[in-house]
Amino acid sequence: DTAVSQTPKYLVTQMGNDKSIKCEQNLGHDTMYWYKQDSKKFLKIMFSYNNKELIINETVPNRFSPKSPDKAHLNLHINSLELGDSAVYFCASSPLGTGGTEAFFGQGTRLTVV
Amino acid sequence: GQQVMQIPQYQHVQEGEDFTTYCNSSTTLSNIQWYKQRPGGHPVFLIQLVKSGEVKKQKRLTFQFGEAKKNSSLHITATQTTDVGTYFCAGKTSNTGKLIFGQGTTLQVKP
Repeated sequence: DTAVSQTPKYLVTQMGNDKSIKCEQNLGHDTMYWYKQDSKKFLKIMFSYNNKELIINETVPNRFSPKSPDKAHLNLHINSLELGDSAVYFCASSPLGTGGTEAFFGQGTRLTVV
Repeated sequence: GQQVMQIPQYQHVQEGEDFTTYCNSSTTLSNIQWYKQRPGGHPVFLIQLVKSGEVKKQKRLTFQFGEAKKNSSLHITATQTTDVGTYFCAGKTSNTGKLIFGQGTTLQVKP
């Protein structure tokens, strides 16, 4: 069983569209994250949720809206997609607070905006 | 804001040579973690260091945490082609609670 699963793995869409990426973890972790990895492999934290509550919200455009229906799920909705949103988005989870112990990453979603 | 810098950005070595990547934080860290990302893959946790001056080994990999808890290093002895990938350090401060990743060092190993 995959510990942290994201869907879809690949997403190609046109500018201006709205899209969602889903993430689920079956590890029983309390904390989940979204990271953005650009073409230079830089991993930047976007959001962090602890037990469905938003605790970290980095400087991310309002077009990005995370939603956590329960502590096992953290979805990412993106409105009005722009070319610069093209990147690999990783969902991750960890068991204790924000980065207290190791983070388990999903396989990533490669988003390409054309 | 808090920054975690990692050097070098790229390293090409001949198989059998040693490799080291260095990580420096602008603030004191409560712990530091290391991850490896294979090409096309996702970051995978390698190790966590918590104590000042701590040294841990995993086979050919040696991890160090500086005395001031602001820097760390990963050293690979006698690299193999399976070591290819990007190595990230990630630091956490006790006040922000955020896990901040360094820029990563991409290792290429020539057989």
